[in-house]
Amino acid sequence: GQNIDQPTEMTATEGAIVQINCTYQTSGFNGLFWYQQHAGEAPTFLSYNVLDGLEEKGRFSSFLSRSKGYSYLLLKELQMKDSASYLCAVGDSNYQLIWGAGTKLIIKP
Amino acid sequence: TAGITQAPTSQILAAGRSMTLRCTQDMRHNAMYWYRQDLGLGLRLIHYSNTAGTTGKGEVPDGYSVSRANTDDFPLTLASAVPSQTSVYFCASSEVSGIGNGELFFGEGSRLTVL
Repeated sequence: GQNIDQPTEMTATEGAIVQINCTYQTSGFNGLFWYQQHAGEAPTFLSYNVLDGLEEKGRFSSFLSRSKGYSYLLLKELQMKDSASYLCAVGDSNYQLIWGAGTKLIIKP
Repeated sequence: TAGITQAPTSQILAAGRSMTLRCTQDMRHNAMYWYRQDLGLGLRLIHYSNTAGTTGKGEVPDGYSVSRANTDDFPLTLASAVPSQTSVYFCASSEVSGIGNGELFFGEGSRLTVL
C-alpha cells in the first residue's frame, strides 16, 4: 500500500529552527510537495522537490532523498505565524497526490 | 482575485438527504479536484476532472458524484448522505492536469455534518 508518515505534532520556540520529517512509500514517484495549513483555513503551497537535494525559499527549505524515501521541511527564524499544520504529499505513478496526515507545529514565545 | 469559491461554508444535513457542494474558480485552470479532510487522516481525493467534460474517480468516490459542464464549475453531489460523510470538503484546482508544478489552489472548505 501507499503510505506517508510524518509526526503528528511538534513544538518549537519563536526564533528557533525546526525540522519536520516525512517518509513515504508509494507506487512510483512524481515529486514531493509541502503545504501549510492554518487552523480552519485552506492548505497553501510551500515547496516542490523532484530531484534529490535542498531547495531553499526564504526562511523555508525542503530536502529530498528519493533513495531513502525521505524529505524534510526546515523552518528557520520561527515566527508565531508559523504555527500551522504542515502537509507532506507525494505524486504517485498515476500522477495523483498521496497526502500525509500533517504535522501540527506549535510555536511558543 | 477570488481564486476558488466554495459554498456553503458549513452545513448540517439529515441522513438520507441530498446535498450539492458548489465550487467555482476564476483562474481558468484545466484541472479541478474534490478532497475530504478528516482528523488524523491525510487529504483524500474523491473525484477529479482533468478538463471540462471529463471526470475521474479518486481514492474515495463512493456516495459522491461530480460533473464538469464548463471550465469554472465543479459541483460535488451527495445523493443520500450518511454520517460517515461528515467531513471538511476542499475543492482545488491546478493549471494543468496531473502533477505539473504541483501547485494546487484550494478553496476555503465546506464543513459538512450529517446527523
